[in-house]
Amino acid sequence: SQQGEEDPQALSIQEGENATMNCSYKTSINNLQWYRQNSGRGLVHLILIRSNEREKHSGRLRVTLDTSKKSSSLLITASRAADTASYFCATDAETSGSRLTFGEGTQLTVNP
Amino acid sequence: DGGITQSPKYLFRKEGQNVTLSCEQNLNHDAMYWYRQDPGQGLRLIYYSQIVNDFQKGDIAEGYSVSREKKESFPLTVTSAQKNPTAFYLCASSLTGAYNEQFFGPGTRLTVL
Repeated sequence: SQQGEEDPQALSIQEGENATMNCSYKTSINNLQWYRQNSGRGLVHLILIRSNEREKHSGRLRVTLDTSKKSSSLLITASRAADTASYFCATDAETSGSRLTFGEGTQLTVNP
Repeated sequence: DGGITQSPKYLFRKEGQNVTLSCEQNLNHDAMYWYRQDPGQGLRLIYYSQIVNDFQKGDIAEGYSVSREKKESFPLTVTSAQKNPTAFYLCASSLTGAYNEQFFGPGTRLTVL
């Protein structure tokens, strides 16, 4: 079952602009993670936010988590053409141990 | 070089044949996972293992089988019972328990001819 749903499905912006992607989920979680996937490649972990955290930063990435709304957002600031990729949220439900459930992803295109 | 490897990168199979996809990691992780990804879709969990000689079905285990005889290795067999096996297959590993990121291999693209 797909716990995470992402919005929008696709996003196209110009270099230098900010990109915001949203993720919603259904059950209580231990943590929420964001991953990036370049076309035809494996996923790369970007950032993990715990259920008791509200905001986390890593370089140009900012993640927020609202457990009352069961939603998260990923903001990429000052985007670059190299940020073009698919971005997935993944949730680690309280009862699942290390098992993750991935969303459908947002395809981000950054135009030079 | 620490990491997770998958082979082959591309695999072609005739209908009715079983094929085995390889996944090896040298990260000393106890947990390993197999996912299937269809075009434009997210990842769906096929099987996972949290310790040697033990594994559990994921959301779409029908038509697949796995083994976990060594900590480093978690091969996936796509059997002839899998009706629509053409997809991109991703293997991952992690430490066990919550709050752990997963490390992914480069994937195997399987095409049924």
